[in-house]
Amino acid sequence: QVQLQESGPGLVKPSQTLSLTCSVSGDSVSNGTNYWSWIRQPAGEGLEWIGRVYTNGATNFNPSLESRITISLDTSKNQVSLKLTSVTAVDTAVYYCAREPYSGNYFQDKWGRGTLVTVSS
Amino acid sequence: QMTQSPSSLSASVGDRVTVSCRASESVRMYLNWYQQKPGKAPNLLIHAATSLHSGVPSRFSGSGSGTDFTLTISSLQPEDSATYYCQQTYGTPWTFGQGTKVEIK
Repeated sequence: QVQLQESGPGLVKPSQTLSLTCSVSGDSVSNGTNYWSWIRQPAGEGLEWIGRVYTNGATNFNPSLESRITISLDTSKNQVSLKLTSVTAVDTAVYYCAREPYSGNYFQDKWGRGTLVTVSS
Repeated sequence: QMTQSPSSLSASVGDRVTVSCRASESVRMYLNWYQQKPGKAPNLLIHAATSLHSGVPSRFSGSGSGTDFTLTISSLQPEDSATYYCQQTYGTPWTFGQGTKVEIK
């Protein structure tokens, strides 16, 4: 059974870097069959796609965040990481990682439970 | 840009419910639907506009292509109370509609 679990600091100070990790079990981040995405959701609001990484390290990012984002894989630990620099209060949200099968049609079929990150001094 | 209507609706158990999603430009059939319950991650219902995801009850169905899409719940059940999102994956960045909250009367 595929499971994804996000982890990282729940509180980040303004201007600092948000760093999150998604631990994957039941699937391999390096088997070439999936992208691995990050999506966020401010409280009471809708969903925003942040970006994704493929097995070979290729990435796609949301242009609204692209200058501040790094998404990468740690194949030895079977993890996906997200770094978001220069955070402000608007980056406060629940952050989800999700699996996106490499297919003709793209969708997120497995999601983590999400982790709340609050940006505050 | 993806626009959903209505923003919310209230219906009775057994009712047929439809949620609309309109794209600002054609996304062909690259349209997905998700269900999200409070405090939970979204769950995939429909992909490629009409394909029911594995394990999703058959009362859910999707239709449409190009710019206009519909999610239909044929007979609303109490456990269907949730917010529903459409998502286009025709071109990055993937974008979601603002959501439609479905409540049970």
